[in-house]
Amino acid sequence: QVQLVQSGAEVKKPGASVKVSCKASGYTFTSYGISWVRQAPGQGLEWMGWISAYNGNTNYAQKLQGRVTMTTDTSTSTAYMELRSLRSDDTAVYYCARGEDYYDSSDYWGQGTLVTVSS
Amino acid sequence: EIVLTQSPGTLSLSPGERATLSCRASQSVSSSYLAWYQQKPGQAPRLLIYGASSRATGIPDRFSGSGSGTDFTLTISRLEPEDFAVYYCQQYGSHGYTFGQGTKLEIK
Repeated sequence: QVQLVQSGAEVKKPGASVKVSCKASGYTFTSYGISWVRQAPGQGLEWMGWISAYNGNTNYAQKLQGRVTMTTDTSTSTAYMELRSLRSDDTAVYYCARGEDYYDSSDYWGQGTLVTVSS
Repeated sequence: EIVLTQSPGTLSLSPGERATLSCRASQSVSSSYLAWYQQKPGQAPRLLIYGASSRATGIPDRFSGSGSGTDFTLTISRLEPEDFAVYYCQQYGSHGYTFGQGTKLEIK
């Protein structure tokens, strides 16, 4: 069965970076892309960007351009999302989700990773 | 960026009733690239509808989606106790994906 398993919770100080992983199983990793979506406490969903696991092409939300980098490691079927220069308003649950290509909805989601930014 | 506005913000209904949730886009959504998700507390979102009207795998047929252009609707024909949750629409057509702010469906 398709599974996306994310890394554990993180606590970071303002200005630091965080890298969240998302390990895929149960499907051909390079046949799909991965979106990253975050949700601040008590708030709605915010799309961060998308990466193709086939060729590494990315599309980032304009708001996060320059602070976010998404990568994949096809040898381990793992996607990564790195966010730099963290601020308190980056505190959120971060989700990875699978989509067949850029113009596609997300049919399977990871369990979420809580990132807390606090001094 | 396409802005999605969902209404109502909160919908109070009883099990067995019909729920109608609205999602309006600030500009036309390309090729009906519109999805609906359900989210329960402490859980990841779950895909219900894609392409505006196609049910995702395993989704009961009491869930249906309709609409095109700028106006989309999610209908739950007869509410079951497990349907009370927050619902989000999402467009994935152009200028990046965006989500609506959500509609909370609560038990009356």
